[in-house]
Amino acid sequence: QVHLEQSGAEVRKPGASVRVSCKASGYTFTTHGVSWVRQAPGQGPEWMGWINYFNGHTSYAQKFQGRVTMTKDSSTRTDYMELRSLTSDDTAVYYCALMTAVFLFDYWGQGTLVTVSS
Amino acid sequence: EVVLTQSPATLSLSPGERATLSCRASQSVSSSLAWYQQKPGQPPRLLIYDASKRATGIPARFSGSGSGTDSTLTISSLEPEDFAVYYCQQRTSWPPTFGGGTKVEIK
Repeated sequence: QVHLEQSGAEVRKPGASVRVSCKASGYTFTTHGVSWVRQAPGQGPEWMGWINYFNGHTSYAQKFQGRVTMTKDSSTRTDYMELRSLTSDDTAVYYCALMTAVFLFDYWGQGTLVTVSS
Repeated sequence: EVVLTQSPATLSLSPGERATLSCRASQSVSSSLAWYQQKPGQPPRLLIYDASKRATGIPARFSGSGSGTDSTLTISSLEPEDFAVYYCQQRTSWPPTFGGGTKVEIK
C-alpha cells in the first residue's frame, strides 16, 4: 500500500529555514505529482505548492513565492520542501500529499510539526 | 482565489443519525470538489472526489452531491468512528483551496 514517510518535528528560530522530507513507497501507478499542504493549529489546510512529476515543474501559491522551494530526488522517491525566513506564523503541521490527478490529494504523509519560536 | 464556506461550523448528532454538511463556493467549481475527513493527530483522508465519487475503501454511508457553487456531504447513519472534522476542497481553479471545516461531534 502507498506510504509517505515524512521527517521528524523541527524547531526553528525566526528568520531561519527548515527542510522537510517525504519518502514515498508502495505504489506502482502513475502519479501526477506531490503537493505540500500545511495546517496551522486549529485551522483548515492550506495548499503551498506542488511538483509536477511529468515535467519536473514546480508551482507555488503566491503567498509563498520566493520563500519556498520544492524538489524531488527520483532515485530515492523522496520529495523535499524548504521554507525560508520563518516567522511564528509558519508554525504548523506540514504535509506532503500524493496526487493521482491534478490537485486531488489521495495519499498523505503523517505530517511534520514545525515550530517557530525565539 | 475561490473561497469555500462550510456550514454549519459544528454539528452535534448522535450515532445512527443522518449528517448533512454544506460547502458553498464563491464561484462555480463545476463538479471538481472533494471532501476529506480528519481526526485529531491524523492527516486528512480523502472521502469523496469529483463531487460524488467515493474514494477507495470509503463506506457507502458517505455520499456527495452538488455542482456549481453548492455541494453537500451526507453521512446516512453516523458510526462512532465518523465523529471528526470534515473539509471540502476545490480543484477547478488555481490555487486549490479548502473550506474552514465542519466538526461533527457527539451529542
